[in-house]
Parts: sequence; structure tokens; C-alpha cells
Amino acid sequence: KQEVTQIPAALSVPEGENLVLNCSFTDSAIYNLQWFRQDPGKGLTSLLLIQSSQREQTSGRLNASLDKSSGRSTLYIAASQPGDSATYLCAVKGGNEKLTFGTGTRLTIIP
Amino acid sequence: GAGVSQTPSNKVTEKGKYVELRCDPISGHTALYWYRQSLGQGPEFLIYFQGTGAADDSGLPNDRFFAVRPEGSVSTLKIQRTERGDSAVYLCASSLNPTGFPYGYTFGSGTRLTVV
Repeated sequence: KQEVTQIPAALSVPEGENLVLNCSFTDSAIYNLQWFRQDPGKGLTSLLLIQSSQREQTSGRLNASLDKSSGRSTLYIAASQPGDSATYLCAVKGGNEKLTFGTGTRLTIIP
Repeated sequence: GAGVSQTPSNKVTEKGKYVELRCDPISGHTALYWYRQSLGQGPEFLIYFQGTGAADDSGLPNDRFFAVRPEGSVSTLKIQRTERGDSAVYLCASSLNPTGFPYGYTFGSGTRLTVV
């Protein structure tokens, strides 16, 4: 059974700093991994999707990497802004058709 | 539509009542998923549709939960004899195909269900 872990559960950093969020998964046989952002009381907003054949994806200040063999992904956020404050969730898709989510990292950017 | 639409956004019901939650996926998306999210947790899988058929309903917690997608578009999640433990945010997602290639999964804003 796939298990997804996100550490730390919460993170606070001053505005302007670069930061890294971590995601690990137990079963390396995945099709893809997707990072989402969730604001309080809201649904999930897709940030980046990495296919199993890819090693990284970039969108603006965000960069996600994938190391399938070690079961790890990182989300790098450059030059953090207060608007980046949210919960960040990673989800992996394995051989079945469902996504398995981590419990998220709650990020707070301090102005 | 432009995104995944879920209605209602909030639902308060009394214990023992029946509720229906609706999901309208992105037009042309064949795969549709229901997830449930409790406070402080990641979403947990409930059921997946490919077209009109439920391809995987292994996440439904018990037989009080049922979902349909009769025309391969809109889906309804039905909960009978609601219990306080059913209180959660119910999220719907759709994708172009089951693999999620190439655009991944798009989620709706969810329905917050509160059973009192």
C-alpha cells in the first residue's frame, strides 16, 4: 500500500527566502506526482505535475523535482512572498487509478 | 465548463438524513474521482469513474455511501442515514484520462458537509 509522507508538517520563513518542501513515498512504481496548493477552506489548486519519466518541472518561482528510485520529491519555492502562505500537498498516482496524498505542509511566509 | 464545479459549497444536515452532493467535471474529462478530506488531513480516495461506470469504489467507507455518473458527465455522491463522523469536505476531481497525462487532475472547491 502506497504511503506518502510530508515533512515538516508546518514551516514558517521570512519573506524573500528560498525554501524546500519535502515529499516521500514508499512505492516507487508511480505514474506521476502532482503538487497542489490548498488555501484555508478552499479546494486544491494544481501547481506542478511530474510524469515518472521526468526529473523536474518548473513554473515561475516553483520547481519540483522527482527521484523515483529513492521515493522522493521536493518543491522549491524561490523568493517567497506572503501570498505563498498555504498548505502544500503532494499526491502520487500508482498502478491503480487513484491519487494517494500526503498530509501536507502548512507554510507561513512572515512579512 | 472551465473548471470542476461542486454544489452545494456547504451543507448542514441532521444525523440520519439523506444527502446528495453534486460534481460537474470539466467538459470532455472521462475520469472523475471523489475524495474526502477531514480537518488537518490529506484527501482520501472514495471512488473513481471512467465514463459511466465506477471503476474502483474501494474507498467508500460502507454501504451508506453510493455514487453515480449516469451519462458520463455529472456525478452525484449520495450518503444515506448520515452520521456525525461523515462530516468532512468532499472533493471531486476530473482528468482527461485515467493516467492523468498530460495535464494532471483538476479539483473542485469541495462541499463542506456538517452533520449535526
